[in-house]
Amino acid sequence: GNSVTQMEGPVTLSEEAFLTINCTYTATGYPSLFWYVQYPGEGLQLLLKATKADDKGSNKGFEATYRKETTSFHLEKGSVQVSDSAVYFCALRLDTGRRALTFGSGTRLQVQP
Amino acid sequence: DGGITQSPKYLFRKEGQNVTLSCEQNLNHDAMYWYRQDPGQGLRLIYYSQIVNDFQKGDIAEGYSVSREKKESFPLTVTSAQKNPTAFYLCASNPRGGFADTQYFGPGTRLTVL
Repeated sequence: GNSVTQMEGPVTLSEEAFLTINCTYTATGYPSLFWYVQYPGEGLQLLLKATKADDKGSNKGFEATYRKETTSFHLEKGSVQVSDSAVYFCALRLDTGRRALTFGSGTRLQVQP
Repeated sequence: DGGITQSPKYLFRKEGQNVTLSCEQNLNHDAMYWYRQDPGQGLRLIYYSQIVNDFQKGDIAEGYSVSREKKESFPLTVTSAQKNPTAFYLCASNPRGGFADTQYFGPGTRLTVL
């Protein structure tokens, strides 16, 4: 079946540190890949996405590259801010059947001033 | 502004009661979804609907029911048969088209069983 594996959190960083959150996937087919962010008590917001191999998604200083050979979609940011503190979800979606998102378990990021 | 609304934000239920969670969207999206989120876990799919008057079970449909009588509305009923209903419930929607389309989420309803 399809699945997404994320690194466990929490990830605690100081402001301006470099961020990497690892994400790998298993899929029967060629999925689109997504990163969503969730702030406390809220729904999910799309952060970025990539639809085919070697695509790079980017938004608000975050980047992730679709690596088909390693089935990965790691999230990176060069300099985190306190306002980036949230839970980050990696997800995949196939172009067949229900087209629902399959999520990883989420990674909590805590950025300290 | 276009978006997805969910109500109520917080809901308390006594054991043995059925409760209905509302989800409304004005994005003119064909497809709608219900997910359940438990602490420290990702979201799991309960039900989905890709067109009006049609819906399908997701991965954890037992103890839940839905209807899709209007394009903009997809209410979820948590029945007394759901053994552990305390969770955060998220509704989502997207255009029926390609799999790269963004899926938009509502703000969620937190259900607590007393």
